[in-house]
Formats: sequence, structure tokens, C-alpha cells
Amino acid sequence: GEDVEQSLFLSVREGDSSVINCTYTDSSSTYLYWYKQEPGAGLQLLTYIFSNMDMKQDQRLTVLLNKKDKHLSLRIADTQTGDSAIYFCAESGASGGSYIPTFGRGTSLIVHP
Amino acid sequence: ETGVTQTPRHLVMGMTNKKSLKCEQHLGHNAMYWYKQSAKKPLELMFVYNFKEQTENNSVPSRFSPECPNSSHLFLHLHTLQPEDSALYLCASSQDYGSPETQYFGPGTRLLVL
Repeated sequence: GEDVEQSLFLSVREGDSSVINCTYTDSSSTYLYWYKQEPGAGLQLLTYIFSNMDMKQDQRLTVLLNKKDKHLSLRIADTQTGDSAIYFCAESGASGGSYIPTFGRGTSLIVHP
Repeated sequence: ETGVTQTPRHLVMGMTNKKSLKCEQHLGHNAMYWYKQSAKKPLELMFVYNFKEQTENNSVPSRFSPECPNSSHLFLHLHTLQPEDSALYLCASSQDYGSPETQYFGPGTRLLVL
């Protein structure tokens, strides 16, 4: 299997909450990230969490980390049409002396009225 | 201009052509990266430069040749590419390599090889 896995698609109604899930395999992961990619654009860092935390909240975004199960989730409250994008989960650890992230394939979030 | 810029944004080339992709960062970062993004595949790290020195080359075919003349500029020279090289090529930068730094991405160059 892949090092970072996430479902490919998620469809929600505007105003509902969205939850995007991710699992990873590296137990030495130190940092876990969520990136957003809008059409025609590069990846934009949304938020990240240290592995010694289990939750981080930033306005409409809530990140939950279950280190035991190696499961990361991103919850977007009151989802808007502008949230439609591809969301990438990534993890990094100090393997080989670098913290270069390993990315998942991305989850396409579709928000419909 | 701020952030990470890439030119051209779109490129169509034949298999016998030679072209170059350019990346420029205005963030004062020391590390720069090339990624390949193909449909339905994870983001693939291609090359890493730290203080203009190449630190990683992830088994990339020699038809891709990177160049980093200074910490602000990164090029990817392309020659005799294959149709399967068609993808979005993303450049990124971070403050340093070897520490947990946030990467900042450019908008990418959409490459089509005919």
C-alpha cells in the first residue's frame, strides 16, 4: 500500500460540515499537514499538527490526530462553494535528516448548493 | 511580486524538443524543490536543492535536468521527453532543508508532450 492514503472524492451540501480522512504508515511521523489545491493553482498549506498533539482548531478548520491508529482528519465547518478543491494530506519525519513531506493522492471536495 | 512564481504556466512540446521550466521565489528561502503531479497519483518529489546544491535526486530520468544558479531561481531543462511525462510540474521552496519547514508552492507548469 501507499504511505499516505485518502479517499479520492467527497461531496457535501453547502452549509454542512465536511470531514476528509487520511491514514499514514510511518510511526515516526513528526508533522502532519493538510494542503489545499484550487484549480490551476499550486498547493497551499492550510494547517499542520505536531504528532504530540491530538487536535488543532483554526477558525472553520479542525484537525484531529489519532496517533495510535495513524489516522488524521480535517473537518471544515459550514462548508462553502469556495471550499471546493483538492485536499492533500501529508506527513513528514526526520528520515535521512530531512522533513520533506510525503503526500497522499488528494481528496476532491465538491460542494453543491 | 511575492511568493513562488513559475513560467510558463502551460507548455506543449514534441518529443524531440528542448524546453526549460523556470521557478523563482521571492521569500528569501534556501531550499527549492521540483515535484511532478500526475492525475490520480501521489505528488512525486523529483529534485531538492539546498543553498544551490542538489541534495536529492529521486531516480529521475536523465531527460530531466535541473539547474539552480542561485537560491532564488530553479530551472528544469527538458529534452526528448515521452508522452507519459505529461503532468503538472510544481516548484516549491522552504526556509531550509533538514528542518520541519513549511513548503510554499508555485502555481505549476502544465506540460503536454505530444
